[in-house]
Amino acid sequence: KAGVTQTPRYLIKTRGQQVTLSCSPISGHRSVSWYQQTPGQGLQFLFEYFSETQRNKGNFPGRFSGRQFSNSRSEMNVSTLELGDSALYLCASSLTGSGIQYFGAGTRLSVL
Amino acid sequence: AQTVTQSQPEMSVQEAETVTLSCTYDTSENNYYLFWYKQPPSRQMILVIRQEAYKQQNATENRFSVNFQKAAKSFSLKISDSQLGDTAMYFCAFIVSVQFFGNEKLTFGTGTRLTIIP
Repeated sequence: KAGVTQTPRYLIKTRGQQVTLSCSPISGHRSVSWYQQTPGQGLQFLFEYFSETQRNKGNFPGRFSGRQFSNSRSEMNVSTLELGDSALYLCASSLTGSGIQYFGAGTRLSVL
Repeated sequence: AQTVTQSQPEMSVQEAETVTLSCTYDTSENNYYLFWYKQPPSRQMILVIRQEAYKQQNATENRFSVNFQKAAKSFSLKISDSQLGDTAMYFCAFIVSVQFFGNEKLTFGTGTRLTIIP
């Protein structure tokens, strides 16, 4: 089985722009979660989607949004980028009820 | 709210030796899972081991084992016969039991950077 795939691997944007990150979960996994990883704040939960519905949301401003498609693929969007949004964004998928999340390799976003 | 604390920012050990990474957590929940994830320089977060809180027996996966002390809210990871490939950041993580609909949120500790010295 293919693992969790995140694209792109690297992104460079400037302040004020918006960005969309993509995540394809493991086949059969319907839950997709997103995390932000920074040296200062560590790993923080952004949101989780299941069957195209957002079930959980972390403490992030409304500039961070996401969606999930009927094939369970998910995208997250960050609008009006700020320097502090520079981070590694990790996506994880799980078979609901298993308690185990499988992670992708992440998208490294740099905001200049 | 759940919190996870890893008090060892960095550790190093000689190859083939045994090392123990510490983790404590705080929760008012009774049903939950605890995990150790490994993040090598490649950035891919890899599951090392999982422990279900209702199980008294400590989980073991090959060279990796845990010491789970529920009353003390402690969850340490022991790596035996350490190998160069074990060099990575190790994160302790917690999730409330997903038995109940709508909870797939992992709470992570700050990580321990482990270096295996040849």
